[in-house]
Amino acid sequence: SQKIEQNSEALNIQEGKTATLTCNYTNYSPAYLQWYRQDPGRGPVFLLLIRENEKEKRKERLKVTFDTTLKQSLFHITASQPADSATYLCALTGSARQLTFGSGTQLTVLP
Amino acid sequence: EAGVAQSPRYKIIEKRQSVAFWCNPISGHATLYWYQQILGQGPKLLIQFQNNGVVDDSQLPKDRFSAERLKGVDSTLKIQPAKLEDSAVYLCASSLGLAGDSDTQYFGPGTRLTVL
Repeated sequence: SQKIEQNSEALNIQEGKTATLTCNYTNYSPAYLQWYRQDPGRGPVFLLLIRENEKEKRKERLKVTFDTTLKQSLFHITASQPADSATYLCALTGSARQLTFGSGTQLTVLP
Repeated sequence: EAGVAQSPRYKIIEKRQSVAFWCNPISGHATLYWYQQILGQGPKLLIQFQNNGVVDDSQLPKDRFSAERLKGVDSTLKIQPAKLEDSAVYLCASSLGLAGDSDTQYFGPGTRLTVL
């Protein structure tokens, strides 16, 4: 069956460091992969999309990589700030464009 | 631009009771989604509408859940009767309905349901 795993339930890092979150998947051939941010009591907010033929995508302090051979995406936040503290979700999209979400990684950036 | 609106924000019911959630998508968005998010998990798609037609309801427990999108705008999701395992946040999302990968989904704040 299809499975999406995000590296850990919680990740704590010091302000200014780079946070790296992992998304692994099995039994899936996604057309593209998306990353979302979710704050407590709110719905997910779209951050970045990367296509299966793209290796890397950047947006301001965010960087996403996508390795379809390893079936893995890495999500990096450089120069992290306490305001980056949230749960980050990866989501895979198949040919039908429906999103399948991972369970998320809760990031805490310590001042 | 107004976002996706949902109501109520919170609901507490007893098992076997009925409950309904309402969603008003972003104006002009043709596609509407309902997701269930259980604590500690990612959202799971329950049903997807394109205008007022159902695109995918394969993960909707149809024996107790129903949804409609009359006139292709607002939508309601109903649970009847509720079970303890239905306790979750119910998220509504909408998108323009574009082809390809540029069809970003915008989520509402969700309705937190507690079934006692």
